[in-house]
Amino acid sequence: AQSVSQHNHHVILSEAASLELGCNYSYGGTVNLFWYVQYPGQHLQLLLKYFSGDPLVKGIKGFEAEFIKSKFSFNLRKPSVQWSDTAEYFCAVNEGFQKLVFGTGTRLLVSP
Amino acid sequence: ETGVTQTPRHLVMGMTNKKSLKCEQHLGHNAMYWYKQSAKKPLELMFVYNFKEQTENNSVPSRFSPECPNSSHLFLHLHTLQPEDSALYLCASSPDLETYNEQFFGPGTRLTVL
Repeated sequence: AQSVSQHNHHVILSEAASLELGCNYSYGGTVNLFWYVQYPGQHLQLLLKYFSGDPLVKGIKGFEAEFIKSKFSFNLRKPSVQWSDTAEYFCAVNEGFQKLVFGTGTRLLVSP
Repeated sequence: ETGVTQTPRHLVMGMTNKKSLKCEQHLGHNAMYWYKQSAKKPLELMFVYNFKEQTENNSVPSRFSPECPNSSHLFLHLHTLQPEDSALYLCASSPDLETYNEQFFGPGTRLTVL
């Protein structure tokens, strides 16, 4: 069965620091990849997604992610984080039609 | 109101109680989902409905009983739950199961089983 690993469970950064959150998946076939974000007290919302084409995808709020097929990875990046980026970030992989498999999440705390 | 709404937002129940969680989507979608979010565990897919028909039951215990009367509403009926069922229950919707679209999530119901 498909699995998704997020190796960083908690990340603490200062404002303006660069961010990279790791995501690895296990499936070797065609995949669709997602990053969702859950801000404190809010619902899960889509940050960005990769279906095909350019492996470097750009999402909302200055986030981007790079799909590296040979490494089974889809890491999330942001050059300069803000306090408002404090949230929990979830990587997810599509297995079959619309069956999303999620990672355990990474809690990001950005200190002002 | 837009998006996906869930009621109640918080629920405390005893192990012998019967309660129901409600989800409503105002997006015109045809597929709806129930997920369980427990601390330190990945989101677990529980049920999938497409055009009111259940298409997936991810080995969920029978004490959880879903109901989808129409494409806009999804319920999760709870009966004789266990303390380990305490979690955040999330509802989501998507246009359908045929295309790789994002799922839109509701705010969740925080369930505590005493």
